[in-house]
Amino acid sequence: GAGVSQSPSNKVTEKGKDVELRCDPISGHTALYWYRQSLGQGLEFLIYFQGNSAPDKSGLPSDRFSAERTGGSVSTLTIQRTQQEDSAVYLCASSLDPRSTEAFFGQGTRLTVV
Amino acid sequence: GENVEQHPSTLSVQEGDSAVIKCTYSDSASNYFPWYKQELGKGPQLIIDIRSNVGEKKDQRIAVTLNKTAKHFSLHITETQPEDSAVYFCAVTTNSNSGYALNFGKGTSLLVTP
Repeated sequence: GAGVSQSPSNKVTEKGKDVELRCDPISGHTALYWYRQSLGQGLEFLIYFQGNSAPDKSGLPSDRFSAERTGGSVSTLTIQRTQQEDSAVYLCASSLDPRSTEAFFGQGTRLTVV
Repeated sequence: GENVEQHPSTLSVQEGDSAVIKCTYSDSASNYFPWYKQELGKGPQLIIDIRSNVGEKKDQRIAVTLNKTAKHFSLHITETQPEDSAVYFCAVTTNSNSGYALNFGKGTSLLVTP
């Protein structure tokens, strides 16, 4: 596609349920990043993928958060047993390769936990 | 970890005036300093960046200056227009096992009034 695509755009879930957020990076981009944007914390790095492997998961806030990437393309961020503090906008970005500085962001998934 | 401070948090200017946003960082190893613009409901978009071996960079009405000794860098927007109204984020990073994972400032909400 022309840009980074994220789905769904909005997600409302009940506390305790699991959610999956999807990211389709720009075709050919090998580096993929997940960030979280919340009012209190601003934009926080969560996890970085190079191809299908994740050399840096240091930003994941707890073991309820996990992510995978398959085929060097689509990535899924999964949040288990969601809590109200997980409410935020989850942003995905991709870049051509690990040495490329410019990251292209998707429009984000707004997650609301009620 | 890297600490990025951004000021001011809000900025209101008259159309045609200049706007300046400043950021400081803590990690002297940081070598890449991008600025992102985020409009409502969209993901951040790169508007200008600078590397540590350069002191200033210009692109039409926007410019970025970097002082590595003092560990601060600034975004300058001249001849502001209403369409410049958005949230601006500075970021800091260095290429590592995390690719170019970004450490963001908290953002500046810029309002340009006609």
